[in-house]
Amino acid sequence: EIVLTQSPGTLSLSPGERATLSCGASQSVSSSSLAWYQQKPGQAPRLLIYGASSRATGIPDRFSGSGSGTDFTLTISRLEPEDFAVYYCQQYGTSPLTFGGGTKVEIQ
Amino acid sequence: QVQLVQSGAEVKKPGASVKVSCKASGYTFTNYGITWVRQAPGQGLEWMGWISANNGNTNFAQKLQGRVTMTADTSTRTAYMELRSLTSDDTAVYYCARTCSGGVCYSIYWGQGTPLTVSS
Repeated sequence: EIVLTQSPGTLSLSPGERATLSCGASQSVSSSSLAWYQQKPGQAPRLLIYGASSRATGIPDRFSGSGSGTDFTLTISRLEPEDFAVYYCQQYGTSPLTFGGGTKVEIQ
Repeated sequence: QVQLVQSGAEVKKPGASVKVSCKASGYTFTNYGITWVRQAPGQGLEWMGWISANNGNTNFAQKLQGRVTMTADTSTRTAYMELRSLTSDDTAVYYCARTCSGGVCYSIYWGQGTPLTVSS
């Protein structure tokens, strides 16, 4: 199975700052089939990005995804208070589908 | 609007079984699949498997093979996930999510989650 490794584990930033989250895959992700989700406490995950770089409907343009092959990045250009949460990457190109361990973006 | 409504919280003893339901509305049920994802307390997301609501095809995570069953009732637009021989390691919140008919897709729509506690 494809193992996804997210870094850093925790990112401490202030509102207005730029956040850069990484997701590395143990083997190439088929057809850039990489998604990013945001999860807040007590809530289900929310899809942000699919296809490595396509924003889901209703997602603000401060969220952007990039990368291909084994290296992917989620960037939040300017953190808003509601962006402090845990972020997961998921590859869906190869079964079994797998998730990364998550990056927590916390208020500094 | 698309909605997935899951059954309520469960408390089970080790060795027991649990069956969680996921009722879909707002879309053509048989055009999509349902995937199940779980999250242990304080941990990340774990893909459990997927069922096609069209033909009942399934694909499960290897670690759950033999313990998990996924079904879909097209008459009631409800998907089910049954997990047997429960241990404390199965304590988690269980989510259903809509996926594509082939199963290897991202998920836009998620249920609210069903907490399961396994304890003697």
